[in-house]
Amino acid sequence: KQEVTQIPAALSVPEGENLVLNCSFTDSAIYNLQWFRQDPGKGLTSLLLIQSSQREQTSGRLNASLDKSSGRSTLYIAASQPGDSATYLCAVPPSGGSYIPTFGRGTSLIVHP
Amino acid sequence: NAGVTQTPKFQVLKTGQSMTLQCAQDMNHNSMYWYRQDPGMGLRLIYYSASEGTTDKGEVPNGYNVSRLNKREFSLRLESAAPSQTSVYFCASSEKAGTGGYEQYFGPGTRLTVT
Repeated sequence: KQEVTQIPAALSVPEGENLVLNCSFTDSAIYNLQWFRQDPGKGLTSLLLIQSSQREQTSGRLNASLDKSSGRSTLYIAASQPGDSATYLCAVPPSGGSYIPTFGRGTSLIVHP
Repeated sequence: NAGVTQTPKFQVLKTGQSMTLQCAQDMNHNSMYWYRQDPGMGLRLIYYSASEGTTDKGEVPNGYNVSRLNKREFSLRLESAAPSQTSVYFCASSEKAGTGGYEQYFGPGTRLTVT
């Protein structure tokens, strides 16, 4: 059974810092990996999707990398801003069968001015 | 496009009452999902529908039923609500993204309290 772990569980940083959030998974037979953002009291918003054949994806100040063989993905946030404060979740679906992702429990990020 | 919509946004029930949570998507996706999110437990899959006319149990299906009414709509029913079903419920849908891989989209959630 796939297990997805996100470290750290919580992070508090001053504005302007570059951040790395980690996502690790136990089964490397994945279809893709998706990073989400969740604001308090809201739903999940997709940030980046990395296909299993890709190494990284970029969107603005966000860069996500994927190393399938080691079971790891990182989400890099450059020049963090208070508006980046949210919970970040990663999700990993299996490469075969139904598309049912396993979610990590998330990293709660606070960026203070 | 509205994406994935859910109704109601908030609901308070008494133990034993029943209700149906509604979900609709306008992206022509085949797959739809119901999750619950609880503090310290993360997201847990309740039921899943790979396509219109099919449904499958997820990790925590007990106490729930679902209906895939058509390709757009997927409802979740609580027949006899219990305090343990107090949670935030999310509906999601997925289909292949433009880059060639599946991507999930989530609704805003329904916050349910059972007293």
